[in-house]
Order: sequence, then C-alpha cells, then structure tokens
Amino acid sequence: QVQLVESGGGVVQRGGSLRLSCAASGFTFSRYGMHWVRQAPGKGLEWVAFIQNDGSKKYYGDSVKGRFTISRDNSKNTMYLQMNSLRAEDTAVYYCTRDKFPWTSDIWGQGTMVTVSS
Amino acid sequence: QSALTQPPSASGSPGQSVAISCTGTSSDIGGYNYVSWYQQHPGKAPKLMISEVYKRPSGVPDRFSGSKSGNTASLTVSGLQTEDEADYYCSSYAGSNNVVFGGGTKLTVL
Repeated sequence: QVQLVESGGGVVQRGGSLRLSCAASGFTFSRYGMHWVRQAPGKGLEWVAFIQNDGSKKYYGDSVKGRFTISRDNSKNTMYLQMNSLRAEDTAVYYCTRDKFPWTSDIWGQGTMVTVSS
Repeated sequence: QSALTQPPSASGSPGQSVAISCTGTSSDIGGYNYVSWYQQHPGKAPKLMISEVYKRPSGVPDRFSGSKSGNTASLTVSGLQTEDEADYYCSSYAGSNNVVFGGGTKLTVL
C-alpha cells in the first residue's frame, strides 16, 4: 500500500544539525512532488518545504529558509531534509507528505520527532 | 505569511451539522482555489478530507463538504458522528510557492 516512513529524528543541541529521511513505497515516487510539514508540541501545522518530482525546484517556508535543505533520490525512493543551525523553535514532529493535488498533501507519514535542547 | 484564522473550537450533537470557517486574505484563500482541509485525531498524522476547495478524495464520507466565498473557506460536517471528533486544519496556497495553514479547530461531538 501507499506509505511514507520518516526517520532520523532525535534530540540535538541548539545550533546543531540533523538529517531526516522519508522512505516512500507503494507508488511511483518520481512522479510526485513532496513536502515536509511540521507540528510543534500542542500546536498547529506549519509547512516547511516542497521539492518538485524531479528535484529541479525547491521551495521553503520563511522560518527555515537558509537553514534547511530539501532533497530527494528517486533511485532510492527517498526524500531528505537537512536541518542546520537548529533552534528551540524547530522542536516539532516532522511529517513528509505527498503532493498529488496542487499544493495539497494527500498522503502523510507517521512523523518523526525532533527536539532541540538548549 | 500569516496563518489562516480558524475558530479554536466547534461542537455539535450526533446527527447535527457543523461548519468550521477558515479566513484568509485575497493573497491566499481569495486568490486561489487550492484550499484543503485535514482531520487529525490525537497522536495521529493528519488525513486529507477536502482538496481544491470542495473535492473529496476517495474514501472520505460525503458527510464532509467544502466551500469558499471570497477570502473565507468552510468545512461542513453533516450527520455528525462520534468518530468525527478531532482537530481540523485548513490550508491554502499563498502564492510565491508558499503554503499557509490555519491554527486548527477542535471539533467536539457532544
């Protein structure tokens, strides 16, 4: 079945780095754009980044621009989020999602928790 | 980009209908027909309920419907059921390759 599985979350010190992965299965990964969306504890959803199906275009939310980098390897059916210069406010569950309809997430992973400690 | 505005809570009795509003601006909701609604149960990942203002993905009950007027979108849940109790989030394309979410509405089925 269609599935997205995130990994790579954990506890990191402020100013540190972390790389998240999102493994896709059950669909032709290379045909779809993908998003990262996060949710701070007890808070709402926040869009983080988007990458086009072929990786040629990448877009970021203002709060992560210049610090986070989205990428993908279609040969491995995997998307990544490299997070640098992490701040306390980056603490959240990070979800990877599939973009089937324009700017809409139709499939969500289970999420991976990132905690930035000070 | 500012978040879209949703009421923090909404409620209804089983069998009733309830509407949840999502207010933005002409730069997001009013400017594009890319409004989506997501349902999130506690501890779970969000689930897409409505895309492109009013389109229901396969498997979503027809009790869920979406609409838009000007800068405000709405999600209506008809024939409320206990399993509809959850948090609901709206989102919209906001131009310049950005997406904005609402703050979320906690729906309680009394």
